[in-house]
Amino acid sequence: GQQVMQIPQYQHVQEGEDFTTYCNSSTTLSNIQWYKQRPGGHPVFLIQLVKSGEVKKQKRLTFQFGEAKKNSSLHITATQTTDVGTYFCAEKRSNDYKLSFGAGTTVTVRA
Amino acid sequence: EADIYQTPRYLVIGTGKKITLECSQTMGHDKMYWYQQDPGMELHLIHYSYGVNSTEKGDLSSESTVSRIRTEHFPLTLESARPSHTSQYLCASSEFATGEAFFGQGTRLTVV
Repeated sequence: GQQVMQIPQYQHVQEGEDFTTYCNSSTTLSNIQWYKQRPGGHPVFLIQLVKSGEVKKQKRLTFQFGEAKKNSSLHITATQTTDVGTYFCAEKRSNDYKLSFGAGTTVTVRA
Repeated sequence: EADIYQTPRYLVIGTGKKITLECSQTMGHDKMYWYQQDPGMELHLIHYSYGVNSTEKGDLSSESTVSRIRTEHFPLTLESARPSHTSQYLCASSEFATGEAFFGQGTRLTVV
């Protein structure tokens, strides 16, 4: 079954504002990956976090892996219309390489 | 742009027909995956493979089957299509070193 849970399911954001989406697991994760899927498109890889407490930045996006490796977050600052889409977190298990996705957070932006 | 291809992009087929969805990648990746996704919904892993002659069932039970005879090819087959199989099917591949998964454009299947 699904190992990672994402909240919120939907995020409606005013252009220019910040928001955060969260990915949680009841078990320790091998790693966490984040993907973005635009409406009508396919998922595109954003980043992978492996180390406990790891923080990575990509322009306005900040990704964080929890100290216990059971949660992760994606924070977007100064939201733009180009940020519209669904953001998925996923765990790729190190033993059998199974790649399972969370339910995603669908982001809409009000101009 | 990733070198992973799915055919057909769209397929409308009658109930009871046998279909095969094709997925090929030219990146030499060992790991390949099939996901089922309804519009605007989550990705459900239905099959995966970590190399030639290895296939595993995913998180979502599926009546489909897969094969991995060659590294670059990972077809998915439905022996008898039903309306409940109507969905989008996404294929992906990845390599161990980077972990990044590359997705194909998907096949939108409609069973009437």
